[in-house]
Amino acid sequence: NAGVTQTPKFQVLKTGQSMTLQCAQDMNHNSMYWYRQDPGMGLRLIYYSASEGTTDKGEVPNGYNVSRLNKREFSLRLESAAPSQTSVYFCASSDLGTRLYNEQFFGPGTRLTVL
Amino acid sequence: AQSVTQLGSHVSVSEGALVLLRCNYSSSVPPYLFWYVQYPNQGLQLLLKYTTGATLVKGINGFEAEFKKSETSFHLTKPSAHMSDAAEYFCAVSDLGYGGSQGNLIFGKGTKLSVKP
Repeated sequence: NAGVTQTPKFQVLKTGQSMTLQCAQDMNHNSMYWYRQDPGMGLRLIYYSASEGTTDKGEVPNGYNVSRLNKREFSLRLESAAPSQTSVYFCASSDLGTRLYNEQFFGPGTRLTVL
Repeated sequence: AQSVTQLGSHVSVSEGALVLLRCNYSSSVPPYLFWYVQYPNQGLQLLLKYTTGATLVKGINGFEAEFKKSETSFHLTKPSAHMSDAAEYFCAVSDLGYGGSQGNLIFGKGTKLSVKP
């Protein structure tokens, strides 16, 4: 099992460009999450999908959109990138709904720089 | 609202010394508690979790944590630090199942552990 995979690993964008970060999991998990990690800020939730067909905003959703393409895949889109979106982005999944606790499994991250 | 406070953004210990990373949480209901570790340029990996039952929880790589409800704490310890323990450690809390909560994880800001030879 590959677990949670993310593409690309690194990306440099210019202000105003758009891009989509891809995430896939092969653990048959219902729930998927997108976080951003900034120095000294810990992880902050951008969007999540509790189950296939649903998405909800997290703590810092502005400037992002998501798509839960199917049970395996959850993508994050930046429509018009801004320097403030320079960050490391992590995707995670969990089998919330079959467990009482939300144990999340994380991908390796995408390091995004917006110039 | 839930919150997590990790005391000390940087902790430095000598190899072989005790590791103690502090985590306090705020939750109005019995929490589920987690410690994750992040090695440089990698994703987060679960070290250990407290769900129910025994309050002393053992995890991977010799780490353990004790849930103390009266102190609202979940400190992470390891008796003897190894160079390979150098990483960033995150404490997280969730409250799944109470008051309609989605049970999303709330993370602390992290503690970077350095291990000196």
